[in-house]
Amino acid sequence: EPEVTQTPSHQVTQMGQEVILRCVPISNHLYFYWYRQILGQKVEFLVSFYNNEISEKSEIFDDQFSVERPDGSNFTLKIRSTKLEDSAMYFCARTRAGGNYEQYFGPGTRLTVT
Amino acid sequence: GENVEQHPSTLSVQEGDSAVIKCTYSDSASNYFPWYKQELGKGPQLIIDIRSNVGEKKDQRIAVTLNKTAKHFSLHITETQPEDSAVYFCAAKKNYGQNFVFGPGTRLSVLP
Repeated sequence: EPEVTQTPSHQVTQMGQEVILRCVPISNHLYFYWYRQILGQKVEFLVSFYNNEISEKSEIFDDQFSVERPDGSNFTLKIRSTKLEDSAMYFCARTRAGGNYEQYFGPGTRLTVT
Repeated sequence: GENVEQHPSTLSVQEGDSAVIKCTYSDSASNYFPWYKQELGKGPQLIIDIRSNVGEKKDQRIAVTLNKTAKHFSLHITETQPEDSAVYFCAAKKNYGQNFVFGPGTRLSVLP
């Protein structure tokens, strides 16, 4: 199963700055997700995106987060005003069309907020 | 909401031995249980999964068993190899929605 591409692989930003993380999924994928993993901890769900709309979001996904698919291809996660505690690995995942539950993860973006 | 626990947190085995990792979940409405392997610096890789209408599934050296009554499921790796060394995460999905709740992970070390 081919992976999605995530860019950048590593992003360093200062507290209070905006960051945009990008995911380039395969065209026949239906659901897209963002998860985060704070260093040494478990993977946590942020948001799922279906048919160009948010279908679910967690308590972590507050007003400083947003997602969109601006050009019908790239799937982005924006953090408006980063905080130190936003430092984590951010993974994009996707599910193929066809009703399966399997989620396939990208390689991740390491976000470091200083 | 759903809560997934996982044991042990670390596991060391000799090459060739078997490894078993156990997870429990709290929401009886969960109906899909994947296992992921995460190597250092990489994203989680789906290695096997099971749905709630099945009790066991096997794929070569890897198997997963599910006990719906007890709400626990286990990953079994036989004939372990050094390349099996990684962090393994279990997860659960409710029968509505698409998001997964992950366990805290098990660091497996296979000693040559």
